[in-house]
Amino acid sequence: GQQVMQIPQYQHVQEGEDFTTYCNSSTTLSNIQWYKQRPGGHPVFLIQLVKSGEVKKQKRLTFQFGEAKKNSSLHITATQTTDVGTYFCAGSLFYNQGGKLIFGQGTELSVKP
Amino acid sequence: NAGVTQTPKFRVLKTGQSMTLLCAQDMNHEYMYWYRQDPGMGLRLIHYSVGEGTTAKGEVPDGYNVSRLKKQNFLLGLESAAPSQTSVYFCASSLRGRSPGELFFGEGSRLTVL
Repeated sequence: GQQVMQIPQYQHVQEGEDFTTYCNSSTTLSNIQWYKQRPGGHPVFLIQLVKSGEVKKQKRLTFQFGEAKKNSSLHITATQTTDVGTYFCAGSLFYNQGGKLIFGQGTELSVKP
Repeated sequence: NAGVTQTPKFRVLKTGQSMTLLCAQDMNHEYMYWYRQDPGMGLRLIHYSVGEGTTAKGEVPDGYNVSRLKKQNFLLGLESAAPSQTSVYFCASSLRGRSPGELFFGEGSRLTVL
């Protein structure tokens, strides 16, 4: 079945360092979404990428969707303590799969001040 | 605007007991989902629905049943709870499109099965 793999599982950084998490799918995706979950909270939507090779930025966050639409990455520049949490990617196959959205295992980011 | 509301937020069950988790959304979303979250496993899709009266299996459907009798509600049932079903359960909803749009999550329901 469809799998979405995410690495690394954990990342510990010093405040000010950069952070990247990678997401890989075994099958071509229709789109990919990214979510952030703060400790004890629920996932909150960050962004959706749809086009092959798409790059989007939100302040210090840069999101990329691979040319083959099978991989994606989230890069945070100069991390801050407010970036702490778990980052998830979530992918869906083309619309003939209906609304099915599969999440990666997540990358837990801790930031040391 | 409440968004997605899950009840109950906490529940402790004994093995073999049954229960139902209720998810309600007030955003008129077509798609609704039930996920479970376990340490190191991320969010795993249990069942989902693309509209009133429809349901479909996700990645880990065994031991669970769902119903979507009304568009705004999505119920998750455990007929005979097992310790392996101890988890945090999240409901989510999204607008309908060619593919799922932004998911709006509830705050979660923490279930412990003894």
